[in-house]
Amino acid sequence: EAQVTQNPRYLITVTGKKLTVTCSQNMNHEYMSWYRQDPGLGLRQIYYSMNVEVTDKGDVPEGYKVSRKEKRNFPLILESPSPNQTSLYFCASSRRGGVSYEQYFGPGTRLTVT
Amino acid sequence: GESVGLHLPTLSVQEGDNSIINCAYSNSASDYFIWYKQESGKGPQFIIDIRSNMDKRQGQRVTVLLNKTVKHLSLQIAATQPGDSAVYFCAENNAGNMLTFGGGTRLMVKP
Repeated sequence: EAQVTQNPRYLITVTGKKLTVTCSQNMNHEYMSWYRQDPGLGLRQIYYSMNVEVTDKGDVPEGYKVSRKEKRNFPLILESPSPNQTSLYFCASSRRGGVSYEQYFGPGTRLTVT
Repeated sequence: GESVGLHLPTLSVQEGDNSIINCAYSNSASDYFIWYKQESGKGPQFIIDIRSNMDKRQGQRVTVLLNKTVKHLSLQIAATQPGDSAVYFCAENNAGNMLTFGGGTRLMVKP
């Protein structure tokens, strides 16, 4: 089944404790992206990747890192999480390098930073 | 499941009626627009897209209309069904390889 998977689905952590949220897609998509979703603010793009070893900042990259060493994986790293990073996070992918193609979203990761 | 938001604009329609969800976009240079549906506890799901060189595009039971003069996008759902209940987002491609999403509209279908 074609899908985007994220792990973990739920995570509660404390301020300053490094964490990684994994994202994997099995559709051989070139483009991958991370979003955060907050009430009243909709979905905002954090980082995106056009292809392996190519990453770029989105609208809200501060406090996040990403890497794209393999085509299928695009982990989101929070080196020192803070409470304002409490949010619902979505990974997405699309078949070509660009947003002008249908993006497939993962199921989401609910992160709480205390 | 995960909640999308507690204070979204809400559209309530009777089952079988047509629904129209509206969206105002921000950038006159945007050249690609998408509608997504998000059900409770799930990620957004692609519904339909339209490029700026078109003003209308139809899918199965859905139609997207684009009015570039007033920077307005709408999603029409014909014969709305209970399964259409969800939050609907419009998104625009206005900066290279990034999408900017609207705040969303909650559609509630009354049986």
